[in-house]
Amino acid sequence: DAGVIQSPRHEVTEMGQEVTLRCKPISGHNSLFWYRQTMMRGLELLIYFNNNVPIDDSGMPEDRFSAKMPNASFSTLKIQPSEPRDSAVYFCASSLWTGGSYNEQFFGPGTRLTVL
Amino acid sequence: QKEVEQDPGPLSVPEGAIVSLNCTYSNSAFQYFMWYRQYSRKGPELLMYTYSSGNKEDGRFTAQVDKSSKYISLFIRDSQPSDSATYLCAMGRIQGAQKLVFGQGTRLTINP
Repeated sequence: DAGVIQSPRHEVTEMGQEVTLRCKPISGHNSLFWYRQTMMRGLELLIYFNNNVPIDDSGMPEDRFSAKMPNASFSTLKIQPSEPRDSAVYFCASSLWTGGSYNEQFFGPGTRLTVL
Repeated sequence: QKEVEQDPGPLSVPEGAIVSLNCTYSNSAFQYFMWYRQYSRKGPELLMYTYSSGNKEDGRFTAQVDKSSKYISLFIRDSQPSDSATYLCAMGRIQGAQKLVFGQGTRLTINP
């Protein structure tokens, strides 16, 4: 079975450019999460969706970051304009949310972003 | 002060040793406690999950939660080189259980 799919796996861009990261959750899952991982700050939740609806975006660092989930099988995280401090590994995760208690989150392989 | 504190290590031990990994937390609202394992250049994967206090054992792995001390532990018995990875603790509340807070992660190396 396919797990969470992320693309691209690596992205190198220059400061000021727009960056779009893509995620395909596990089929049948109804929750999707975007995380950022850095050496300094560890793994941080940026935003998550239930049934394609954004629930909590309090982790999104700035207005330069935006996320969308137009349907159950696709989500994007966009950074515009990008800055060197955005360099990190961005993970997408999905889960089958049953309401209430914790449900296991399955992580994708991540996108390693470098902003020069 | 971070909600979840975890020593980033690195920790290096010989094969066969017992490994102890720990996290402390400050928010008493946490009820779900997890350990994720992350191999180099991979995404985290769930290793152990515990609700509230107590112990949970799965093969060579044991997770302990002490809510009175706000302290959780992961023990690895008979450690193997394949256990070399970064181990992240994670916690969640009952309200908003999907919103996990992760520790920094401890980088562990098991030497053959």
